[in-house]
Amino acid sequence: ILNVEQSPQSLHVQEGDSTNFTCSFPSSNFYALHWYRWETAKSPEALFVMTLNGDEKKKGRISATLNTKEGYSYLYIKGSQPEDSATYLCALNTNAGKSTFGDGTTLTVKP
Amino acid sequence: EPEVTQTPSHQVTQMGQEVILRCVPISNHLYFYWYRQILGQKVEFLVSFYNNEISEKSEIFDDQFSVERPDGSNFTLKIRSTKLEDSAMYFCASRPGELYGYTFGSGTRLTVV
Repeated sequence: ILNVEQSPQSLHVQEGDSTNFTCSFPSSNFYALHWYRWETAKSPEALFVMTLNGDEKKKGRISATLNTKEGYSYLYIKGSQPEDSATYLCALNTNAGKSTFGDGTTLTVKP
Repeated sequence: EPEVTQTPSHQVTQMGQEVILRCVPISNHLYFYWYRQILGQKVEFLVSFYNNEISEKSEIFDDQFSVERPDGSNFTLKIRSTKLEDSAMYFCASRPGELYGYTFGSGTRLTVV
């Protein structure tokens, strides 16, 4: 059974702080890694799809890096804002058929 | 922006009854999925569908579950004889190709009583 681990489970930061969290996975049979942002009462929203070792993606203040050899991906948020409060999900594709999700990191940004 | 739509948003059913959860994926997407999340647990894969057939299914997706794409737009999940442990939020998702992220619907909360 593929295990995708996310840490920390939850995170509380002040507005303006920069933060990062981790997604770890077995480093073999890698196909693609996805990051999603999931706000309460909404559906998960795709942030990044990462496929290459050393790949870095950026969307505004949010960026992500991937290390397939070591089996981890980091998501960074620069200058957190209250609207960044959400659960951030990592999902690993080992083939095109399905994704295995981590438990998520719940971020709360206090004004 | 195109959306994946799911109906109903909430369904309450008696144990042993059949339910059909409906989804309309984005029209030019080729890959379709059902996921579920039991309260307090991880999002779990149920089934993927491509080229009018199931491409992969999880151990959760046993004989009580089935999917259909009857008319080229709807994508349905049928649970034949619901159990209490089927209570969960069920998400439909689609994507245009293998290297794209999913677009999720807003989910159907199924409560089995």
